[in-house]
Amino acid sequence: GAGVSQTPSNKVTEKGKYVELRCDPISGHTALYWYRQSLGQGPEFLIYFQGTGAADDSGLPNDRFFAVRPEGSVSTLKIQRTERGDSAVYLCASSLTSGETQYFGPGTRLLVL
Amino acid sequence: GENVEQHPSTLSVQEGDSAVIKCTYSDSASNYFPWYKQELGKRPQLIIDIRSNVGEKKDQRIAVTLNKTAKHFSLHITETQPEDSAVYFCAATPYNFNKFYFGSGTKLNVKP
Repeated sequence: GAGVSQTPSNKVTEKGKYVELRCDPISGHTALYWYRQSLGQGPEFLIYFQGTGAADDSGLPNDRFFAVRPEGSVSTLKIQRTERGDSAVYLCASSLTSGETQYFGPGTRLLVL
Repeated sequence: GENVEQHPSTLSVQEGDSAVIKCTYSDSASNYFPWYKQELGKRPQLIIDIRSNVGEKKDQRIAVTLNKTAKHFSLHITETQPEDSAVYFCAATPYNFNKFYFGSGTKLNVKP
């Protein structure tokens, strides 16, 4: 079946702009996760959803970052007033439910100029 | 929180040789340890995982061992092939497998 998909695959924006990154999880997966991967590093946890609610947002670096999952399926990661340090690959993962194996999407490569 | 360290950062082996990648973790509550393979520009792909009630798990040429007392776990790849070349990440997670803590990755190069 279809895996986790993310759009756009690449996003170039200017410092100070607002961006939205989208994640479509595997159908039927109730748990969804966002990670950020900087060059040469492992993925870093940002936020986890179980259903529609954010069960753990302890990894969000500051209040410029926000994520939603209004219907318990698609999720959007929103970054306000982007900074050059936000440049990274943003990965989304989903699992059947919490406690199950996480399957990753291809990521969105964000470049803030 | 959990801290995962991974070694080596790069590993070069000859085709057919074995490769071993090691990770240590700090939180004794961690109970699930997946390994992901990531090819350049691609998504991380789960290759094997182990839970804390098991000491070793094998899947064809890949095996993972876990030492809970020492808080370390290792990935073993035997009979390496050029297509094994990629970056490998270990991860650990305490309670409910919700938040993965990843190591910094090992770039494996298998020379033909």
